[in-house]
Amino acid sequence: EVQLLESGGDLVQPGGSLRLSCATSGFTFSSYAMGWVRQGPGKGLEWIATISGSGVSTYHADSLRGRFTISRDSSKNTTYLQIDSLRPEDTALYYCARDHYLVGPTLFDFWGQGTLVTVAS
Amino acid sequence: ERVMTQSPASLSVSPGDRASLSCRASQSINSALAWYQQKPGQPPRLLIYEASIRATGVPARFSGSGSGTEFTLTISSLQSEDFALYYCQQYNSWPSFGQGTRLEIK
Repeated sequence: EVQLLESGGDLVQPGGSLRLSCATSGFTFSSYAMGWVRQGPGKGLEWIATISGSGVSTYHADSLRGRFTISRDSSKNTTYLQIDSLRPEDTALYYCARDHYLVGPTLFDFWGQGTLVTVAS
Repeated sequence: ERVMTQSPASLSVSPGDRASLSCRASQSINSALAWYQQKPGQPPRLLIYEASIRATGVPARFSGSGSGTEFTLTISSLQSEDFALYYCQQYNSWPSFGQGTRLEIK
């Protein structure tokens, strides 16, 4: 059974940083790209970033490039999202999702339950 | 950037009836379109990809059609568990989602 479990969400002050983690199981980790998608309170879905199965290639949404960095550790079957210079508008539920293909970014066939990031003073 | 526009924003349909949800792309995305279902407190669930291919385990009452810029998700004979929020997503370029259509019980 494919499982994705996010962690690392927290209440942080504007300007702070966070690293979100996504631990996976139930599939061959290196065979799939992995991505992060966020959903603001009462809002729609926004793609943030995707990393290829090998970890060599990364793709970030233009509007978020520079503050968000995706990475992965194949020895831990875990994907990460580093978020710097947090802003109140970054408040959202952050989902980790498995890309349907090896390279990505494309569509997402399995999703975690999400981890909540709240940015407020 | 491909902008995805879904219509209507909400749709009221009676159980057992048919529902058609639309998604329009600002420019051609060929068939690189996926549909997701989201229920309150849950993550999105993949229903359809490549515009018309049902994901594993998705009931046959869900079908997708279209190519280019116009796409439709059709749910025949609505069941109680189908009343939810539906998103389309293009992946012809950097992924982008529509704003969603809420399917409500009439």
